[in-house]
Amino acid sequence: NAGVTQTPKFRILKIGQSMTLQCAQDMNHNYMYWYRQDPGMGLKLIYYSVGAGITDKGEVPNGYNVSRSTTEDFPLRLELAAPSQTSVYFCASSYEAGGGGELFFGEGSRLTVL
Amino acid sequence: AQSVTQLGSHVSVSEGALVLLRCNYSSSVPPYLFWYVQYPNQGLQLLLKYTSAATLVKGINGFEAEFKKSETSFHLTKPSAHMSDAAEYFCAVSDSGYSTLTFGKGTMLLVSP
Repeated sequence: NAGVTQTPKFRILKIGQSMTLQCAQDMNHNYMYWYRQDPGMGLKLIYYSVGAGITDKGEVPNGYNVSRSTTEDFPLRLELAAPSQTSVYFCASSYEAGGGGELFFGEGSRLTVL
Repeated sequence: AQSVTQLGSHVSVSEGALVLLRCNYSSSVPPYLFWYVQYPNQGLQLLLKYTSAATLVKGINGFEAEFKKSETSFHLTKPSAHMSDAAEYFCAVSDSGYSTLTFGKGTMLLVSP
């Protein structure tokens, strides 16, 4: 199994550009998450989804959007990129809700906004 | 609201020495507690989790953690460090089986020969 796959692994954006980070999982997990990781700050939840068609905001949703049209895919959209969005982004999935189940993480997408 | 505090952003040990990484949590209800490990340029992977069964939880790679309600702690230990243990370790808490995880800021473990 591939697990959780994120693309691209690296990207440089100019201020004001937009892009989509792709996330796909092949484990038939209902729950999917997007986190950002900044040095010394741990992981902050951006958005999450409890199933196809259902999404909800996490701790730091501003400047991002998500959709969940299928169980497998959970893309993260950045509109009007800003330097504050320079970060490493991780997608994760789980069989059960976050408190009960193990999160499976992708390898991350490193984004730089200049 | 739930929160996690990891004491020490960096911990240095010698190979063969005891590893102790500290985690204190805040939760209004009995928590679910987790330790995750992140190796360089990789995503996080689960080391162990506490879900109200035994208070001493054994995980992968010889790590274990003890849930102490009176101290609101869930410290991670390993009797003898190995060079391959060098990584960043994250404690996480959820206040129910249906809520999302809240992660601590992480502790980088450095192991010297």
